[in-house]
Amino acid sequence: ETGVTQSPTHLIKTRGQQVTLRCSSQSGHNTVSWYQQALGQGPQFIFQYYREEENGRGNFPPRFSGLQFPNYSSELNVNALELDDSALYLCASSSRVTLNTGELFFGEGSRLTVL
Amino acid sequence: DAKTTQPTSMDCAEGRAANLPCNHSTISGNEYVYWYRQIHSQGPQYIIHGLKNNETNEMASLIITEDRKSSTLILPHATLRDTAVYYCIVSVFSGGYNKLIFGAGTRLAVHP
Repeated sequence: ETGVTQSPTHLIKTRGQQVTLRCSSQSGHNTVSWYQQALGQGPQFIFQYYREEENGRGNFPPRFSGLQFPNYSSELNVNALELDDSALYLCASSSRVTLNTGELFFGEGSRLTVL
Repeated sequence: DAKTTQPTSMDCAEGRAANLPCNHSTISGNEYVYWYRQIHSQGPQYIIHGLKNNETNEMASLIITEDRKSSTLILPHATLRDTAVYYCIVSVFSGGYNKLIFGAGTRLAVHP
């Protein structure tokens, strides 16, 4: 059973550019969530995808968008990068979208630096 | 906004029990308490969760007070590898999805 894998592990972009981060879910999981973790802070929820549809979103602007594919892998896209977008971006997968059940399995993250 | 309060940091001697407290005074009746930890430069790792009753697994025990306003995570025999940031999280259900609201966590340092 493979775990959650993310790519790339590190990348550097400049302000105004666009970035795409990728995530492969753990086998058998159909739900993917994305989190942003700024240095020294806890992760903040960006959005969640279930069966290729976004079904929940945190307090992030529309320039943060995502996709989930039929094989349940996912992408996070960020347009018009700002300096404050520098963070560790975490992907987490789960086998259920149910009330208060199911643990999340996190990947190692993609560390984005915006210059 | 985070709905839990944890101490910023704690120390523990190797081999001793580590008891990490968490306050969640505004928890709703159908919200679970989750504990995750994050070792430096890694993604968060699930430890345990519970609703009302005390829970135990191979990693830890979770003690929830009767009024559910606070809980304690217990690592029975801490090792150096347990040094990490520990997050106490109240699971929120809203609009048909489940999101975890992380606070700042407790930085646990286990020393020899």
